[in-house]
Amino acid sequence: DSGVTQTPKHLITATGQRVTLRCSPRSGDLSVYWYQQSLDQGLQFLIQYYNGEERAKGNILERFSAQQFPDLHSELNLSSLELGDSALYFCASSALGGGLRTGELFFGEGSRLTVL
Amino acid sequence: AQSVTQPDIHITVSEGASLELRCNYSYGATPYLFWYVQSPGQGLQLLLKYFSGDTLVQGIKGFEAEFKRSQSSFNLRKPSVHWSDAAEYFCAVSTQGAQKLVFGQGTRLTINP
Repeated sequence: DSGVTQTPKHLITATGQRVTLRCSPRSGDLSVYWYQQSLDQGLQFLIQYYNGEERAKGNILERFSAQQFPDLHSELNLSSLELGDSALYFCASSALGGGLRTGELFFGEGSRLTVL
Repeated sequence: AQSVTQPDIHITVSEGASLELRCNYSYGATPYLFWYVQSPGQGLQLLLKYFSGDTLVQGIKGFEAEFKRSQSSFNLRKPSVHWSDAAEYFCAVSTQGAQKLVFGQGTRLTINP
């Protein structure tokens, strides 16, 4: 158990809909990272938050947004969903905000999104 | 641009045989290197990491990896695999000041009994 909790574990929805994925980081970790894992793209970095502030952005679509709340949990919002958004979405947390000096990201078990 | 290549998409080895998974990176700065393992239905777990110093690093579950700067490689090895090692393995790279890990495409390991 990594200590990172993601909900829901599975989600099935239709095209055009909007969903919210939730992540609770390990106790004490200030950074939250979101990654998307799909068969064709592999693991793609989406976005990082550190103590409530956006720190880095990767290949995140404009239809997607995220935030980190004062209690450090994070939500990833996916809107106007398309078939191609079907993927496994991972949240990871780290004690540090930048540089990944310790290098260890602790990953949740992921939220599997299926768009029909 | 930073990139990580894992040349082998799928590898099959027999239980008890040795294993080497390849990883090559393209990075301008001194890299921080990692290997993660993903079991079916699970998140990623860190096996080992390299920042500096001894180029041979030991990890959990009997794995080790060797950093070879001249070859831009960080190959993962295990002298004798167990059936429980069947999983997907990801190599990842970062640098100091970077805000993210860049992952390779992964290598799926199958173990024959």
